[in-house]
Amino acid sequence: SAVISQKPSRDICQRGTSLTIQCQVDSQVTMMFWYRQQPGQSLTLIATANQGSEATYESGFVIDKFPISRPNLTFSTLTVSNMSPEDSSIYLCSASGFYTGELFFGEGSRLTVL
Amino acid sequence: EDQVTQSPEALRLQEGESSSLNCSYTVSGLRGLFWYRQDPGKGPEFLFTLYSAGEEKEKERLKATLTKKESFLHITAPKPEDSATYLCAVQTPYGGSQGNLIFGKGTKLSVKP
Repeated sequence: SAVISQKPSRDICQRGTSLTIQCQVDSQVTMMFWYRQQPGQSLTLIATANQGSEATYESGFVIDKFPISRPNLTFSTLTVSNMSPEDSSIYLCSASGFYTGELFFGEGSRLTVL
Repeated sequence: EDQVTQSPEALRLQEGESSSLNCSYTVSGLRGLFWYRQDPGKGPEFLFTLYSAGEEKEKERLKATLTKKESFLHITAPKPEDSATYLCAVQTPYGGSQGNLIFGKGTKLSVKP
């Protein structure tokens, strides 16, 4: 299984600012993804982070709001732009390996927007 | 619309009291069904993947089973350390990406000593 590290683990942000979350995987993986977990809700896929190209966004999520980078096989960033209180959530990085279909998750980044 | 429903939302057990969690799904096709455990403040921890009806997998006190419309996570003689939220997710062949798992809201399990 892959070990996935995220930072920051939590942050309190002001409305209108942006925050970048970093995700580092300890081994090369095929796919990396970003999920959101809002209080009392299911995990929802934001986008697939593609190495060296633009991320693939799910319905309801756009690049201007959630720009994503993946410069190599083990690292990705998610930026939450122009934050509002509705963006308060846990953001989770996940990855799947070369040989298995299982999806592994990082510890999550808990954002609170005031 | 593809949907995953978990029940109950919360379950309180005494230590040693066996029970089952349910995950029912309505999807256009099933590539796989996943079970995760999530502790407070942590990311989901992978437990099992089931691919076809009739399949069963076990890990310590947990056993997952799959039918054509639902999956059960059986917990035998639970201990307080089994307390967590258990998440079920399904993956369909028609998803836009491998990662597009459809998650249920989870069952919060509390095991009292």
